[in-house]
Amino acid sequence: AQSVTQPDIHITVSEGASLELRCNYSYGATPYLFWYVQSPGQGLQLLLKYFSGDTLVQGIKGFEAEFKRSQSSFNLRKPSVHWSDAAEYFCAVGLGYSTLTFGKGTMLLVSP
Amino acid sequence: GAVVSQHPSRVICKSGTSVKIECRSLDFQATTMFWYRQFPKQSLMLMATSNEGSKATYEQGVEKDKFLINHASLTLSTLTVTSAHPEDSSFYICSAATSGGPYNEQFFGPGTRLTVL
Repeated sequence: AQSVTQPDIHITVSEGASLELRCNYSYGATPYLFWYVQSPGQGLQLLLKYFSGDTLVQGIKGFEAEFKRSQSSFNLRKPSVHWSDAAEYFCAVGLGYSTLTFGKGTMLLVSP
Repeated sequence: GAVVSQHPSRVICKSGTSVKIECRSLDFQATTMFWYRQFPKQSLMLMATSNEGSKATYEQGVEKDKFLINHASLTLSTLTVTSAHPEDSSFYICSAATSGGPYNEQFFGPGTRLTVL
């Protein structure tokens, strides 16, 4: 069965430091890949997505992600974290016909 | 573009009553709508998928008689939680997708917080 793994339940990063959130998927073909962010009590906001083409994808709020087929990974990165980035981050994999499988999420804490 | 709204944003009801949550695609026609449930500190759990004009397809373990889904038009889907109980308290999120491509992205609503007393 298809699965999405976010190995880190929570991560603490100092403000201004770089960030990398990991995401691995298990699926035979190249899926459609997404990263969403969710602030407490809020809905999901799409940060970026990969459908095809350049494997380094730029998103909103200074985030980027790189699709690595050989590692079945789609890690999210940001060079300098801001306190407002503290939130829950979900990686998701799109399969056939609009379906989405979500990872369990990574909670990002930003320390001063 | 691709805006999805939900109403209400939060609702508190008494145990045993029914609650209806609306999900609307504001600027596109949604062939398919999805309903998710999210418990605190957990990921989204897909409850059901609905296509306009057809019966919804429920995920395993989701009671279709308790969570009634109607997708009567290309811009509106409703989720009715019937005879709600405190264990139904949760954050409900809908999403909407068009059709026609090899993959049609889901656009998410802002969610509805349901609290059952």
